[in-house]
Amino acid sequence: DIVMTQTPLSSPVTLGQPASISCRSSQSLVHSDGNTYLSWLHQRPGQPPRLLIYKISNRFSGVPDRFSGSGAGTDFTLKISRVEAEDVGVYYCMQATQFPRTFGQGTKVEIK
Amino acid sequence: EVQLVQSGAEVKKPGESLKISCKGSGYTFTTYWIGWVRQMPGKGLEWMGIIYPGNSDTRYSPSFQGQVTISADKSISTAYLLWSSLKASDTAMYYCARHGSTSHDYWGQGTLVTVSS
Repeated sequence: DIVMTQTPLSSPVTLGQPASISCRSSQSLVHSDGNTYLSWLHQRPGQPPRLLIYKISNRFSGVPDRFSGSGAGTDFTLKISRVEAEDVGVYYCMQATQFPRTFGQGTKVEIK
Repeated sequence: EVQLVQSGAEVKKPGESLKISCKGSGYTFTTYWIGWVRQMPGKGLEWMGIIYPGNSDTRYSPSFQGQVTISADKSISTAYLLWSSLKASDTAMYYCARHGSTSHDYWGQGTLVTVSS
């Protein structure tokens, strides 16, 4: 299985300031079709997860443009340009390059 | 509008069987994979397995192979997660999630399963 490792596991942030989360995979996520199936999901307390970013850097429908994704191969980053109160919760990276799909451990974002 | 509606919370005893459901609407059910994800209390997301309702092709995570069964009834656009003998350690929230061409894009609201004697 591909192991996904996120850092940090906790990130206290100030409202209006940027935040960044890293995700590293144990092997390349480049699929044989040339695409890299790395996604980011956000889970607010008491809610199901929701998709934010797919294929490294593509924002899902309705996701604000303060969220951006980057990276390649085995190293990926999610950035929030200016954190808002609704951004609190846990962020997960997930690989969909091969079965079984696997998630990172999650990064908890909270307001200082 | 794509929706996945899951069955309600369950309280069961160890050794009992259970089937929870996930009904899809707003899209062609047979042309998207549907996966199941476990979240134990206070923990992260664990991918359990996935089914393609169009032909019932099913893949399991090695961690869950033999522990659960995933099935689907395409006539009623519903996927299922089945346990034949529950354990206390199966206590968790279970989510179904549609898998589009790139990721799990739409999620159900979750089904809380509590297993206690």
